[in-house]
Amino acid sequence: NAGVMQNPRHLVRRRGQEARLRCSPMKGHSHVYWYRQLPEEGLKFMVYLQKENIIDESGMPKERFSAEFPKEGPSILRIQQVVRGDSAAYFCASSLGQGTDTQYFGPGTRLTVL
Amino acid sequence: SQQGEEDPQALSIQEGENATMNCSYKTSINNLQWYRQNSGRGLVHLILIRSNEREKHSGRLRVTLDTSKKSSSLLITASRAADTASYFCATDANHGTASKLTFGTGTRLQVTL
Repeated sequence: NAGVMQNPRHLVRRRGQEARLRCSPMKGHSHVYWYRQLPEEGLKFMVYLQKENIIDESGMPKERFSAEFPKEGPSILRIQQVVRGDSAAYFCASSLGQGTDTQYFGPGTRLTVL
Repeated sequence: SQQGEEDPQALSIQEGENATMNCSYKTSINNLQWYRQNSGRGLVHLILIRSNEREKHSGRLRVTLDTSKKSSSLLITASRAADTASYFCATDANHGTASKLTFGTGTRLQVTL
């Protein structure tokens, strides 16, 4: 019973390049959440998606960031024209339903922008 | 200050001692969750306590919730070196549709032999 999977685990990009982070939720989970963690800080909510729908993107920066969760395949967090300030750990979580369901986290993708 | 703040920021104890971490939050919640994060790793879910519960146990973990004070505590009894990690509380306010979690800045626990 695989948990939440994220890849790549580490990603290095130069300023101006694009970063694509992938997340496969736990089997049977249809709710996906993305969080960002800066060094020495807690996680900050970015976006909440269900299949083919963005439910809450209140934590997403207005520009350069986008997320999707297609009918087939993993959820993708896309960062265009990366800047040094985007360097962080990006975590994906999934849950069975919403409301009071536990969120299970993946191992994270550590993005380094040179 | 943000929703979900842990206290203390750092805690160093010896193996066998108990560790207590506190979390305060600002708004009403549906549930509060505690997570552990080892250095450079992902988060491991420890325990979830709902707003209508006051205390919950799981192995060596004991969590309390006081909604009148908007605070929670995590007690780890008989600590082990393997408990060394950062511990975060996360609140689920669920004001409508989304269930985004709001995390605190964490307590860094160091358990020495």
